[in-house]
Amino acid sequence: RKEVEQDPGPFNVPEGATVAFNCTYSNSASQSFFWYRQDCRKEPKLLMSVYSSGNEDGRFTAQLNRASQYISLLIRDSKLSDSATYLCVAAGFSGGYNKLIFGAGTRLAVHP
Amino acid sequence: GAVVSQHPSWVICKSGTSVKIECRSLDFQATTMFWYRQFPKQSLMLMATSNEGSKATYEQGVEKDKFLINHASLTLSTLTVTSAHPEDSSFYICSARRASEQYFGPGTRLTVT
Repeated sequence: RKEVEQDPGPFNVPEGATVAFNCTYSNSASQSFFWYRQDCRKEPKLLMSVYSSGNEDGRFTAQLNRASQYISLLIRDSKLSDSATYLCVAAGFSGGYNKLIFGAGTRLAVHP
Repeated sequence: GAVVSQHPSWVICKSGTSVKIECRSLDFQATTMFWYRQFPKQSLMLMATSNEGSKATYEQGVEKDKFLINHASLTLSTLTVTSAHPEDSSFYICSARRASEQYFGPGTRLTVT
């Protein structure tokens, strides 16, 4: 079983739509969580951290449920520029370092 | 934000040759750098953790004699893929740790023919 699992998609949505991505992680010792965005053939870029209390950054809302080991990302009012792969990440200390464990990503395609 | 560079951005080499990839932190010192590999449509997989002045720590299943890592200074880590084979063709990405965050390089696309 993969440590971080995501629906690969693709999610094809029109501009202005609201779309939600889900992710589950298997290691209950994971301490911090993130969503990264990766464009084709580029490096991942940090989108936002994820907290149990939920956090919002503009059109993006992230939520963590530690009990069910579930993470979500909600994108409102989708833009064409939101088209990318969204990577769910769980991190925890191992061997003295905060290691990032990446999911395989969920692909989003926003069309006009 | 912090800047991390990688060189080369892409490389094509023949089977059996070795390839060196450089990862540099341009505006900060990084005692710890990480090397990842990403195959098409798959997740980034951590290969090893590179520590300045000491031996790298490799993840399970990663051959340390095949993927040589050197972190000789606080701003430079190198990954050498020795005796490369077509199955080593992948996207190699480094990251450098600054405080509690990791900053990723732009990646190196390796194709072994």
